[in-house]
Amino acid sequence: DQQVKQNSPSLSVQEGRISILNCDYTNSMFDYFLWYKKYPAEGPTFLISISSIKDKNEDGRFTVFLNKSAKHLSLHIVPSQPGDSAVYFCAATNTNAGKSTFGDGTTLTVKP
Amino acid sequence: DAGVTQSPTHLIKTRGQQVTLRCSPKSGHDTVSWYQQALGQGPQFIFQYYEEEERQRGNFPDRFSGHQFPNYSSELNVNALLLGDSALYLCASSLFMGATNEKLFFGSGTQLSVL
Repeated sequence: DQQVKQNSPSLSVQEGRISILNCDYTNSMFDYFLWYKKYPAEGPTFLISISSIKDKNEDGRFTVFLNKSAKHLSLHIVPSQPGDSAVYFCAATNTNAGKSTFGDGTTLTVKP
Repeated sequence: DAGVTQSPTHLIKTRGQQVTLRCSPKSGHDTVSWYQQALGQGPQFIFQYYEEEERQRGNFPDRFSGHQFPNYSSELNVNALLLGDSALYLCASSLFMGATNEKLFFGSGTQLSVL
């Protein structure tokens, strides 16, 4: 029973265009969501997060949108750069639980 | 400021053996969580340690055990290794702030291969 799903294993976009990575969750108890980026041979690094009381959070080129009714969140990267090529993990947590539940990741390739 | 460090980076064991992985958290962090990442999957939560006690545990058998030391560093032990234990083991540190959510800082992981 996978509670966090990233249904697109891979995504390829052209440099300068928008990258949209999607994530769905099933557990309505999740109240905090995070995106991590992972390069080969490195651990995941935190990118951006959003609380369930918000529907949007923006940090530079990165914006996360949350649709609670649909149990769906997305990460937008604008404009995409070749250095953004990495595996992106969506994670969800509950304030009282503490542990993070991860999706299986989406490999983003940004072509020059 | 040292980040999360893990050792060793790679390890090869045979079925039935035991293994110990080590982790030093980011400076100033007091909580260590361990995750298992199988090929093509996301990190799966094993357990979390705070104040030298296991605070939470994921759906992993008792063969997986851990320890946290007074300096906040941690060990992950796996007994009676199975082929399916082959994976990248990630250590993540954070601040235990009660009900507050906290982003995780990950080490580069230990790649365990069980033959």
